[in-house]
Amino acid sequence: ILNVEQSPQSLHVQEGDSTNFTCSFPSSNFYALHWYRWETAKSPEALFVMTLNGDEKKKGRISATLNTKEGYSYLYIKGSQPEDSATYLCASPEGSSNTGKLIFGQGTTLQVKP
Amino acid sequence: DAGVIQSPRHEVTEMGQEVTLRCKPISGHDYLFWYRQTMMRGLELLIYFNNNVPIDDSGMPEDRFSAKMPNASFSTLKIQPSEPRDSAVYFCASSSSGYGANVLTFGAGSRLTVL
Repeated sequence: ILNVEQSPQSLHVQEGDSTNFTCSFPSSNFYALHWYRWETAKSPEALFVMTLNGDEKKKGRISATLNTKEGYSYLYIKGSQPEDSATYLCASPEGSSNTGKLIFGQGTTLQVKP
Repeated sequence: DAGVIQSPRHEVTEMGQEVTLRCKPISGHDYLFWYRQTMMRGLELLIYFNNNVPIDDSGMPEDRFSAKMPNASFSTLKIQPSEPRDSAVYFCASSSSGYGANVLTFGAGSRLTVL
């Protein structure tokens, strides 16, 4: 069974701070790494999908990097804003490349204080 | 498209009662997933379908849980009889393919409370 782990479990930062958190996954049989953002009382929404070692993706103040050889991905938020408060989930498909069976980490819950 | 539609949004029931959760995936999406969110276990996959056929139900906790997809636009997750430990948020998600890099689109979730 694929084990996807995230750290830290929760994070409290001040508005304007930059922050980052980690997703680790088995480096063998890697196919893709997903990041989702989940706001309270809403549904998870996809941020990025990365497949290649060294991939970097960016959406506004949020960016992500991928290291498939060592099995980790970082999510960075530059100049955090209160609206960035959410749980950030990473996920990776289990099994072959043709399965959409995504296994999620437990998430990192970010709270940005104004 | 209105996205993935789930109903009910909230359900409160008593132990022993039957619960049916419903999902309408995005039109044209061939894959449908049922996930359960709990504090202890996070977001865990219960079952998923491809072209209305169940592919992997290894995450279904026990025989009290069943899921069907009678057609491409409708799926149900049934719990019978329900127990307090089934209290959770149940998400339905759909995807246009089983390709591992395809994103999932989630519904708003059904929050179940079993008293």
